[in-house]
Amino acid sequence: DIQMTQSPSSLSASVGDRVTITCQASQDISDYLNWYQQKPGKAPKLLIYDASKLETGVPSRFSGSGSGTDFTFTISSLQPEDTATYYCQQNDDLVYTFGQGTKVEIK
Amino acid sequence: EVQLVESGGGLVQPGGSLRLSCAASGFTFSTYAMNWVRQAPGKGLEWVSTINPPGSSAYYADSVKGRFTISRDNSKNTVSLQMNSLRAEDTAVYYCAKGSLLNDWGQGTLITVSS
Repeated sequence: DIQMTQSPSSLSASVGDRVTITCQASQDISDYLNWYQQKPGKAPKLLIYDASKLETGVPSRFSGSGSGTDFTFTISSLQPEDTATYYCQQNDDLVYTFGQGTKVEIK
Repeated sequence: EVQLVESGGGLVQPGGSLRLSCAASGFTFSTYAMNWVRQAPGKGLEWVSTINPPGSSAYYADSVKGRFTISRDNSKNTVSLQMNSLRAEDTAVYYCAKGSLLNDWGQGTLITVSS
């Protein structure tokens, strides 16, 4: 099975900061990489699919990049409502896997 | 508007069985793969199972293979998860999610496996 290694596990940043999360796949997954946001007590929400495509209705401050094994998720200007845990997930293999998650807090 | 509503959660003893259901509306159910994803208390997301649109192929995480069975009824717009031989480590909120991109999720249903 494909393993996804996500880092950091948590971060604290100020409003307006640029925030970057990385995700590494254990093998080439092309661009079959998605990013989700989960707020406490809520279901996850798809933000980015196919590594870099913004889901409809998602603010443009969220972006993704990468292909193959190395991927990056960026919030260009952190907002208070972005406090959440973010997960990468591969859907290249029919056995999907998630990264461990990154908890983003406001400093 | 897409709606996914899970039901069937509750408390079950180790070794017991439970069947979860997810009622879907607001999209053409028969054209989408459907998934179950779970989240243990305070932990991350874990993909559990996927079933293809016609229901002819199913895929499972190693942690549930041989114990859980996913199925769907395209005439009733429902997807189910039959869970047997439940263990304490199966305790989690179980979500159903739509499509290969998991772009819509239900609210989740809590399964607690405990004596």
